[in-house]
Amino acid sequence: NAGVTQTPKFQVLKTGQSMTLQCAQDMNHNSMYWYRQDPGMGLRLIYYSASEGTTDKGEVPNGYNVSRLNKREFSLRLESAAPSQTSVYFCATLQAGTTDTQYFGPGTRLTVL
Amino acid sequence: AQSVTQLGSHVSVSEGALVLLRCNYSSSVPPYLFWYVQYPNQGLQLLLKYTSAATLVKGINGFEAEFKKSETSFHLTKPSAHMSDAAEYFCAVKGGSYIPTFGRGTSLIVHP
Repeated sequence: NAGVTQTPKFQVLKTGQSMTLQCAQDMNHNSMYWYRQDPGMGLRLIYYSASEGTTDKGEVPNGYNVSRLNKREFSLRLESAAPSQTSVYFCATLQAGTTDTQYFGPGTRLTVL
Repeated sequence: AQSVTQLGSHVSVSEGALVLLRCNYSSSVPPYLFWYVQYPNQGLQLLLKYTSAATLVKGINGFEAEFKKSETSFHLTKPSAHMSDAAEYFCAVKGGSYIPTFGRGTSLIVHP
């Protein structure tokens, strides 16, 4: 039972490069989220997926796209990376109506040069 | 609408002293309230939560929080700090939507 896994753990990109952050869960939760964490800013929601087949923008969606591939997997894509996207990215899951607790992955540390 | 305010981005205590981390919230519906802890280079993990049962909630590692509706507060306390408590603490509120709202976090520093 791995919970929430994220790949890669670390990544360095040059401005303009693209990449996809992967998130997978084995908790059978319906809802999945992508956050970014920056010093002094707390967690800011980028995109979320309330259930398989749906995605919605969060607080800071510009420069990102997402895909809810199936119930288990939710990926985050940076099409043309910018230095402002240097951050730590966390994926999280939630099963609404039961515990309502979010479960977080270990994070991806991204640096854009 | 819902929001969370955590007072103090940094709190410094001595080992063995009382820990008090403050959280005030607003919510248009009866909320669920959470405290999460983040140790260095890790993701967040649940410390405790309030879901409309007992107003005094006990969590892991000796932490507890009290839901006070009249004050719209959910402060986190621990009677005696330990060095291993040094971490970032986040308060979160969840109303009727799928989206919890997080505070900006409080970094707890524990001095020997």
